[in-house]
Amino acid sequence: EVQLVESGGDLAQPGRSLRVSCAASGFTFDDYAMHWVRQRPGKGLEWISGISWNSGARHYAESVKGRITISRDNAKNSLYLHMNSLRPEDTALYYCAKASGGDLAAVGIPFDSWGQGTPVTVSS
Amino acid sequence: DIQLTQSPSFLSASVGDRVTITCRASQGISSYLAWYQQKPGRAPKLLIYAASTLQSGVPSRFSGSGSGTEFTLTISSLQPEDFATYYCQQLDSYLRTFGHGTKVEIK
Repeated sequence: EVQLVESGGDLAQPGRSLRVSCAASGFTFDDYAMHWVRQRPGKGLEWISGISWNSGARHYAESVKGRITISRDNAKNSLYLHMNSLRPEDTALYYCAKASGGDLAAVGIPFDSWGQGTPVTVSS
Repeated sequence: DIQLTQSPSFLSASVGDRVTITCRASQGISSYLAWYQQKPGRAPKLLIYAASTLQSGVPSRFSGSGSGTEFTLTISSLQPEDFATYYCQQLDSYLRTFGHGTKVEIK
């Protein structure tokens, strides 16, 4: 059974940094692209970043570009999101999601498994 | 960026009703569209991909159609467990944008 477990969400001050993690199990992690999706309180889903199976390709939404870095460690079956210069509008539940394929450039590849999310609150 | 517009944003329906949700893309995306269901406090769940392919385990009362810029999600006979928020997502651009969601509530 596919399991994705996020961790690392916290209360952080504006301008600070935070890293959230996603531990994967139940599938061959290095065969699949992975993504981060966030959901602000009471709002919809916002895709923010994706990474290919071998870290060869990474993409970011314009709203976070330059402030976040996605990475993965296939030896540890783990996905990471490092966020810098945090803003109050980064307050959200952060989900990791598994793509159904490994190539980030491939079209038509949905997100077939999701974690339960880790909450990030940015406030002074 | 490809924008997705869902309609309606909210709908009230009864058990047994046929429900249709529309998702319009700002440019053609062929059939590269997915639908997700999210219940309160839960992670999203993939229902349909490639516009009309049902994900394994999803009940057959859910169906999807469309291509290009206009897509629909239909629930043929609404069940109590279907009251949730539904999102479309385009899978054509590497910026995998979502629609703003359609909340389906009990009438």
